[in-house]
Amino acid sequence: NAGVMQNPRHLVRRRGQEARLRCSPMKGHSHVYWYRQLPEEGLKFMVYLQKENIIDESGMPKERFSAEFPKEGPSILRIQQVVRGDSAAYFCASSPLEKQGANSPLHFGNGTRLTVT
Amino acid sequence: QKEVEQDPGPLSVPEGAIVSLNCTYSNSAFQYFMWYRQYSRKGPELLMYTYSSGNKEDGRFTAQVDKSSKYISLFIRDSQPSDSATYLCAMTTGNTGKLIFGQGTTLQVKP
Repeated sequence: NAGVMQNPRHLVRRRGQEARLRCSPMKGHSHVYWYRQLPEEGLKFMVYLQKENIIDESGMPKERFSAEFPKEGPSILRIQQVVRGDSAAYFCASSPLEKQGANSPLHFGNGTRLTVT
Repeated sequence: QKEVEQDPGPLSVPEGAIVSLNCTYSNSAFQYFMWYRQYSRKGPELLMYTYSSGNKEDGRFTAQVDKSSKYISLFIRDSQPSDSATYLCAMTTGNTGKLIFGQGTTLQVKP
């Protein structure tokens, strides 16, 4: 059973370009979370999605960032017109249930490391 | 003030030592507390999950939650070089996947 798959693992973009990060949740998981990890900081929640719905985007910057989780295919985190401050590791996590627990924890992918030059 | 405070370390101990990792928090509404381990260039993996106050033990790992002091701890007994990683505390109010993480403590266990 494959884990949470994120690609690409590394992404380099010049300022002003667009970055597209993809996340395929574990099989049977319909709940997806995106987190950002800045250097020397812990993970920060960005957005929570279920299939075709954004449930909570309270951690998402108001501009340039968007996320989707279509009926078919991976979840996508899109960053338009990237700036140097967007350089970070972006982690996706999935869960089969809305509520977490010891037996149904979040499963994290290995992240996409975005570098903006 | 951050919602969750965690000393980033680094913490270096000899193999076999008992390791104590701690977090403090400010939001009394937090009820679910977790410890994640993150190896370099990898995603976090869940180590311990506890609800409310009390202790939980799993092998060499013990998690403690003291809600009255807003303080949580992770103890690692008989530490091994393979325990070398960053340990992140995390917590949430409503048992959802919207977690508040500490900064993480980097641990090195020397053979």
